Amino acid sequence: EAQVTQNPRYLITVTGKKLTVTCSQNMNHEYMSWYRQDPGLGLRQIYYSMNVEVTDKGDVPEGYKVSRKEKRNFPLILESPSPNQTSLYFCASSSFPPSPGGQPQHFGDGTRLSIL
Amino acid sequence: GQQVMQIPQYQHVQEGEDFTTYCNSSTTLSNIQWYKQRPGGHPVFLIQLVKSGEVKKQKRLTFQFGEAKKNSSLHITATQTTDVGTYFCAAMDSNYQLIWGAGTKLIIKP
Repeated sequence: EAQVTQNPRYLITVTGKKLTVTCSQNMNHEYMSWYRQDPGLGLRQIYYSMNVEVTDKGDVPEGYKVSRKEKRNFPLILESPSPNQTSLYFCASSSFPPSPGGQPQHFGDGTRLSIL
Repeated sequence: GQQVMQIPQYQHVQEGEDFTTYCNSSTTLSNIQWYKQRPGGHPVFLIQLVKSGEVKKQKRLTFQFGEAKKNSSLHITATQTTDVGTYFCAAMDSNYQLIWGAGTKLIIKP
């Protein structure tokens, strides 16, 4: 089954304790993204990657790191989490390059992070 | 950078009434996509529009792309409880970054 898998689904942790949220897709997609979703703010792109070893900052990259060493995986790293990073996070993937019609984004189920 | 404004933020309707959400951009869009997010779920792709003036239908949902490719709308006829959720538009900019509208939450009044 085609899917985007995020882990963990829920995490409560403390300020400053490094954490990684994993994202893996089995559709051989080139394009992958991380979003955070906060009430009233919609989806804000944190980082995106157009292929292996190619990553770009989105709208809200501060405090986050990503890597794309393999096509299927795109982990999100919070080196020193802070309470303002408490949010719902989504990973998404699609094929690339985008045709004039764009490519549908396939989303994971989300990771709810609480930073105390 | 490119921005996509989406209104309204919320819409309360009685079941059976119509619902419309609008997305507007100050710049010409190459394409626009629409997604639905059910409560507690993740966004799910509905459709994409590419051509100026394009209109596409999916059962009770009608999607339009403006002639100038700067605006788009999603209209739901005769809403049902299964339509509840948040509807988002999204457009890709020249740097391949996806720009999202803030979403419109459809709430069905009991």
